[in-house]
Amino acid sequence: GENVEQHPSTLSVQEGDSAVIKCTYSDSASNYFPWYKQELGKGPQLIIDIRSNVGEKKDQRIAVTLNKTAKHFSLHITETQPEDSAVYFCAASMDTGTASKLTFGTGTRLQVTL
Amino acid sequence: SAVISQKPSRDICQRGTSLTIQCQVDSQVTMMFWYRQQPGQSLTLIATANQGSEATYESGFVIDKFPISRPNLTFSTLTVSNMSPEDSSIYLCSVGEGSPLHFGNGTRLTVT
Repeated sequence: GENVEQHPSTLSVQEGDSAVIKCTYSDSASNYFPWYKQELGKGPQLIIDIRSNVGEKKDQRIAVTLNKTAKHFSLHITETQPEDSAVYFCAASMDTGTASKLTFGTGTRLQVTL
Repeated sequence: SAVISQKPSRDICQRGTSLTIQCQVDSQVTMMFWYRQQPGQSLTLIATANQGSEATYESGFVIDKFPISRPNLTFSTLTVSNMSPEDSSIYLCSVGEGSPLHFGNGTRLTVT
């Protein structure tokens, strides 16, 4: 089955700096890669996703890049703010058009300091 | 996106007892997923619940321990049976029609 590795496990940046979180996956059949943000006491919230036919996707301060050949994808957050502090999870699935089960990475705890 | 409500939001239970967690969605969805998140850990899929058929369990999870019901397209329950302290986790319901999947806020279970 699919295996997703995520690094780093913790990340501390100063407000205004950029943060990068990296994930690798094992199953070349995976074609859908979402990123979730989980704040304390809440469920994971989707922040951005990318499909295998696209190399990069951007939404305001957040961007995701995908390298299919190397089987890795990354989350980039620019101009970080204190409210970006949370745990971030990457995930991978084989999207066949119906809802597909996700395999999650181990999570990255991001701390944005003032 | 669908609004997902889980009940209870948290509970403290004694070992040996069972707890049933409810997941209600504000729209009809074909597939519902139940995940477990152990303290400080990632999310692990327990089972996939389709309306009108038996749930499909992932390796390491069995129906006797985690029975699931899916009586209609907006509702599902997960029961954690004969609980032990190792079952202390957050249990999350997830739904989606295709991708992406959306999650409820989870049920925080502590077993003493």
